[in-house]
Amino acid sequence: EAQVTQNPRYLITVTGKKLTVTCSQNMNHEYMSWYRQDPGLGLRQIYYSMNVEVTDKGDVPEGYKVSRKEKRNFPLILESPSPNQTSLYFCASRRQTSGKAGEQYFGPGTRLTVT
Amino acid sequence: QQPVQSPQAVILREGEDAVINCSSSKALYSVHWYRQKHGEAPVFLMILLKGGEQKGHEKISASFNEKKQQSSLYLTASQLSYSGTYFCGTVTGANNLFFGTGTRLTVIP
Repeated sequence: EAQVTQNPRYLITVTGKKLTVTCSQNMNHEYMSWYRQDPGLGLRQIYYSMNVEVTDKGDVPEGYKVSRKEKRNFPLILESPSPNQTSLYFCASRRQTSGKAGEQYFGPGTRLTVT
Repeated sequence: QQPVQSPQAVILREGEDAVINCSSSKALYSVHWYRQKHGEAPVFLMILLKGGEQKGHEKISASFNEKKQQSSLYLTASQLSYSGTYFCGTVTGANNLFFGTGTRLTVIP
């Protein structure tokens, strides 16, 4: 089954404690991306990756890091989480060929609370 | 670079029609539409490419006017299952996908 998986699904942590949210896709997609969703603000892009070892900032990258060492994995790292990073996070992937963006698949989401 | 969606929210009775608009300040290569049910991930509805095409998906269709950098999503004869938040996503020259703030659609019996 084609899917994007995220772990953990729910996380409560304290300010400053480093954490990683994993994301994996089994569709051999070139493009992967992280979004955060907050009430009234829609889906805002944090980072994206066009392929292995190619990453770039989205609209709200401050406080986040990513890496793309393998095509299937795209972890999101919060080195020192703060309460304003409390949010619902989605990982997504899609095929990206000949400059055309295909259908984007989303993971189930990770609800993060930073106290 | 977020596209602008309108309206922000709409309430319909079953069987009524609705239009959701999406506009961008940048030239667009394509427009994506997604629907998100409460507590779930967004789900793909359709992509519209440059060329002013119109696409349909059951009773949900969309148009794309590349000159005006606008797209509209049309929901006809709405059903209870159409309730959710609809997002448009726009792709510009950088091939990146940016989502609007969403339109919350509620269909009541």
